[in-house]
Amino acid sequence: KAGVTQTPRYLIKTRGQQVTLSCSPISGHRSVSWYQQTPGQGLQFLFEYFSETQRNKGNFPGRFSGRQFSNSRSEMNVSTLELGDSALYLCASSPGQYNEKLFFGSGTQLSVL
Amino acid sequence: AQTVTQSQPEMSVQEAETVTLSCTYDTSENNYYLFWYKQPPSRQMILVIRQEAYKQQNATENRFSVNFQKAAKSFSLKISDSQLGDTAMYFCAFMKDSGTYKYIFGTGTRLKVLA
Repeated sequence: KAGVTQTPRYLIKTRGQQVTLSCSPISGHRSVSWYQQTPGQGLQFLFEYFSETQRNKGNFPGRFSGRQFSNSRSEMNVSTLELGDSALYLCASSPGQYNEKLFFGSGTQLSVL
Repeated sequence: AQTVTQSQPEMSVQEAETVTLSCTYDTSENNYYLFWYKQPPSRQMILVIRQEAYKQQNATENRFSVNFQKAAKSFSLKISDSQLGDTAMYFCAFMKDSGTYKYIFGTGTRLKVLA
C-alpha cells in the first residue's frame, strides 16, 4: 500500500501570496489531520477531517483553511502569507475514525520570503 | 488543557547500548492514548509505540518498550540494543479518548546513536 503522499515537497512563496497544499491519505483511510511543525513552536494541530467533515480545528487564524474531498484527499490553504507561516506542514491519515494511530506523510516545507 | 513535556532536548548513546527517553504529561482525563513517534532526517513521522491508558501492561515493540506510570503521569521510552538507524528526533504525544481527534506533542528529544 502506498503511504501518505504530500505535494509539493518544497514551496517558496512571498508575503501576501496564498498557497494550497495537497495530501493523499493511505487507501481506505477516511481521516486526515494536518499539523504545522516549526523549530520554535514544535508540532501544532491545524485541523482534522473525517468523511469530508471538519471535526476539530486548532488555534490558528482564519487564513488557514482546509477541506476534504469525497475520495478522502485533503487540501489546506493559507491565504495572505506571513513570514511566520514558514514551516513544515505535515499531513497524517488514520485507519480508524478515532485517530488511534496516525500515519504521516513526509510533509511540505513552506518558505515565505 | 493537556501538556506534554520532554525534558531532554538531546541525548546520545553508544551503538548496542540501552537508552531511556523521558516524557511527562498533564491531564485530568482518565482515558487517553500515549505515543512515541520517531522523525528521522527524511522528516516522515513514524509511529514507534502506542499505549492505551486503560491497559496496565507496558507496551513493547521489538527493541522498544515503555514504562507507563499513570499515577505519576510518566511515559518513558526504552530503546535496547541501539542501532545507527535509531538516530532521529523522538516525540512523545497524547490524545484524549473522547473525540477531540488531535494529538498534543512534546518538544522532542534528539537522539544520536554513536558508532
